This record gives sequence, structure tokens and C-alpha cells, in this order.
Amino acid sequence: AQKVTQAQTEISVVEKEDVTLDCVYETRDTTYYLFWYKQPPSGELVFLIRRNSFDEQNEISGRYSWNFQKSTSSFNFTITASQVVDSAVYFCALSEIVGTSGSRLTFGEGTQLTVNP
Amino acid sequence: GAVVSQHPSWVICKSGTSVKIECRSLDFQATTMFWYRQFPKQSLMLMATSNEGSKATYEQGVEKDKFLINHASLTLSTLTVTSAHPEDSSFYICSAMGTGVAREVTRYNEQFFGPGTRLTVL
Repeated sequence: AQKVTQAQTEISVVEKEDVTLDCVYETRDTTYYLFWYKQPPSGELVFLIRRNSFDEQNEISGRYSWNFQKSTSSFNFTITASQVVDSAVYFCALSEIVGTSGSRLTFGEGTQLTVNP
Repeated sequence: GAVVSQHPSWVICKSGTSVKIECRSLDFQATTMFWYRQFPKQSLMLMATSNEGSKATYEQGVEKDKFLINHASLTLSTLTVTSAHPEDSSFYICSAMGTGVAREVTRYNEQFFGPGTRLTVL
């Protein structure tokens, strides 16, 4: 069975600090996708990034960057120069293909990030 | 593209009543829809998977007679919480996956999430 572990339950930083959210996953499949979602207090999940298992290239999008290390089964997320609006719960998720047309998404426990002014 | 809506966004009901939550894919055909439940300060837990026109597949520990799921069309799935009790109070989120015009819908086999429904049972 697949599993996603986000060891950091809560992180608190001061604005403009950099912060890294850790994600470690377990799967037996060779083909899978990894995701990060942001969940603000409103509750709606906001998609941040998708990465497939064959693409280990790191990605940067503005203040966000992601480090995918297949050798250590990790997919860490870094926010540079954090802002108060970054305060939210962040979920890492793993999707594996099930059958011919299905997929199953497993979420980590989430990390509550609080950015203080 | 790839927009999923849920209705209602929040609902309060008395213990013992039934509540129906709708999940709609607005701009694509959702061949598969998923229902998740999220308790406060916890993660999303998959309750069931439904394919259009067939019975839903429930996760272990989820009572199929209490959480009725209907996926009668390619754009609509409903979750009915029957005889709701205070312990059913939670945030219910649906997601949809399928085919459509938007490239990302079919290319990555990705789920698109609705905004969620907050259920409070008194």
C-alpha cells in the first residue's frame, strides 16, 4: 500500500524567512504522480504542482520550488521569502494508477504553516 | 477548464435527518468521482470512488448504507448522508476525473477538487 508522510505537523516562521516542507512517500509502483496542495482556512484545495515519477527535474515557480529525489523517495517543497498569505495547511499527495483507467490519491497528514508578520 | 462545484457549501441539520450533497463537473465529463471526508485538523480520507453508471466502491470502514453515492450522469454525483448524527459532522470534498476539452484533464489522469461542503449535525 502506498503511504505519504509529512513529519512536520506545524511550522511557524517570521515573514521573509525561507521554509521547507518535507514529504516522504512509499509506493511499489514505478509509475506514479506526486502533488502538493494548499488548503487555506476556507477549505478549498488549491493545486500547486504535479510531478510524474520519471521526471526528477526540480521546478521553480516564483517563490515556490520543489525538490524531487527519487533515491530517497522525497518530494520537498520550499517557499522562499515567505509571506503572511502563505499561511495554510499544505498537503503532499501520491497518485498511483489503479486498473485501466482509475487512479488512487493518498494524502499526507498535512503541515500547518503559519507565517507571522 | 476542469472546474468542479459542490452544493451546498455548508449545511446544518438535526440529528436523524438525511442530507444530500451534490458534486458537478462544469466543463468536462467526469467518468470517475471521488468523495473524501476531512475532520478538523486532519487529512483527507477517501470514502468512496464512483464510476458513472455503476455502483460506488467504498473504502474499508465506510458504511455504504449510511453514505449513499449516486453517479447517474457524467457531470453529477451525489452523496447522501442518511440519518445523520453529530459524529458525521465534517468537511466533505468531492473530486472528479475524466475526459474533456482541457488537456490537463486527460493527460495526467488527474483529480480536480470541488470547494467542499461543511456539514454540521446538531
